[in-house]
Amino acid sequence: GAVVSQHPSRVICKSGTSVKIECRSLDFQATTMFWYRQFPKKSLMLMATSNEGSKATYEQGVEKDKFLINHASLTLSTLTVTSAHPEDSSFYICSASGLLGEETQYFGPGTRLLVL
Amino acid sequence: AQSVAQPEDQVNVAEGNPLTVKCTYSVSGNPYLFWYVQYPNRGLQFLLKYITGDNLVKGSYGFEAEFNKSQTSFHLKKPSALVSDSALYFCAVRDDTGGFKTIFGAGTRLFVKA
Repeated sequence: GAVVSQHPSRVICKSGTSVKIECRSLDFQATTMFWYRQFPKKSLMLMATSNEGSKATYEQGVEKDKFLINHASLTLSTLTVTSAHPEDSSFYICSASGLLGEETQYFGPGTRLLVL
Repeated sequence: AQSVAQPEDQVNVAEGNPLTVKCTYSVSGNPYLFWYVQYPNRGLQFLLKYITGDNLVKGSYGFEAEFNKSQTSFHLKKPSALVSDSALYFCAVRDDTGGFKTIFGAGTRLFVKA
């Protein structure tokens, strides 16, 4: 149980285009979803926390107009990187928690984004 | 403010030997503590957590961790390492004040040599 999927697993795009990454909880309802960014050989940086049906809460320094997060249902959250630039190239990982207050996060396999 | 420290960038151990990956933390309230493992180009997999109860927590793949409140530590251990345990390990902490934010350590790369 507690499986989280991400799509696509890898994407290459041109600078200036937008990229959408999907995160799905396959066998549970995810009240809260998290989006992280991981740089090579570095820890995870929390970008934002989203609760189903409400606006995402962004961490300090994360541009909400650039990284659009939508959590429209209890099984799906999307991260859209708008007007992507090469510095946005990274490994993006989502995670999901079930019940409100549920402590454990279940992680997706990650999406490798390369912006040319 | 919450923080978590993994003092070792890398741990090397021979197969069959016991392993320890260290983690210390700081929180305002009571800690929720987690260990996750990451294999190359993959997301994180949950190993174990401490919320309350017994200080020794047993998790997946034969791993266990001991919560030590006085030393504010939550070290990950395994009695006998396998080559397949080689991966990146993250300690994480969240406090019990009601927020969802979990802070991750910098990660410790474990190499198990055959």
